[in-house]
Amino acid sequence: GAVVSQHPSRVICKSGTSVKIECRSLDFQATTMFWYRQFPKKSLMLMATSNEGSKATYEQGVEKDKFLINHASLTLSTLTVTSAHPEDSSFYICSARERVTGELFFGEGSRLTVL
Amino acid sequence: AQSVTQLGSHVSVSEGALVLLRCNYSSSVPPYLFWYVQYPNQGLQLLLKYTTGATLVKGINGFEAEFKKSETSFHLTKPSAHMSDAAEYFCAVSANQAGTALIFGKGTTLSVSS
Repeated sequence: GAVVSQHPSRVICKSGTSVKIECRSLDFQATTMFWYRQFPKKSLMLMATSNEGSKATYEQGVEKDKFLINHASLTLSTLTVTSAHPEDSSFYICSARERVTGELFFGEGSRLTVL
Repeated sequence: AQSVTQLGSHVSVSEGALVLLRCNYSSSVPPYLFWYVQYPNQGLQLLLKYTTGATLVKGINGFEAEFKKSETSFHLTKPSAHMSDAAEYFCAVSANQAGTALIFGKGTTLSVSS
C-alpha cells in the first residue's frame, strides 16, 4: 500500500532552536497534506492543511509564524517549528491525500522534545 | 462543520468478550467515517471506513462498524477480543469532498484482560 514517511521520527532540541519535520509520500502524488499535533494520551488536533504550490491554511489558534508549513512538491511537505519551547513538545503526524483516488494515508509521526 | 464524540475514554473487556466502542458524529454534509487504531509511540492504522454504499463495514483484525444515519452513529465492534487489541482507538469524520481533513474524536483506550 501507499507509504507516507516522516523524518525524523524522534528529535530532541534546545529551547530557542528551530526544527524541521519532513513528510514524504513515497509512491504516490499528494496534492493535499495535513499536519496534526497529538498531546500525550490525547486526540489528534488538526493544525493546518497544505496544498502543493500554495500557502497553508491554518486552523484557528495555530500560530502560522510559529509553525511554518511548506508544500513545495507533490511528494513533500515540511513543518518547521520555529524558536521551539518546551510547550511545543508533542507528537506531530502528517497525512497525505492521494491525488487520483483521494485516499488518505498517515505518516508514522515525529516526536519532538524541546529541552 | 464536522465533529466526533467518542463515548467512554476507557473501555475494559476480558479476552474473548465482545468489544463495543461508541462513536457519534455531527456533519452538515454526508460524512465519510473512519476508525483508526494507534499503538504506543506509533502512527495511525486504518481499521475500516465508510464512504457510501453498504452501511455495515468490515475491517481488518475482525473489526466491523455500522453506519446508522438516523442515530448519527458509527460504533465499532469485534465479537471476541484478543490481548493484541489493547490500544487507542480513534473515530474520525470528514466531509465527502476532495481536500478535506479528518476530524478526530478524543479516542478510547481499550484494555483487554486475560
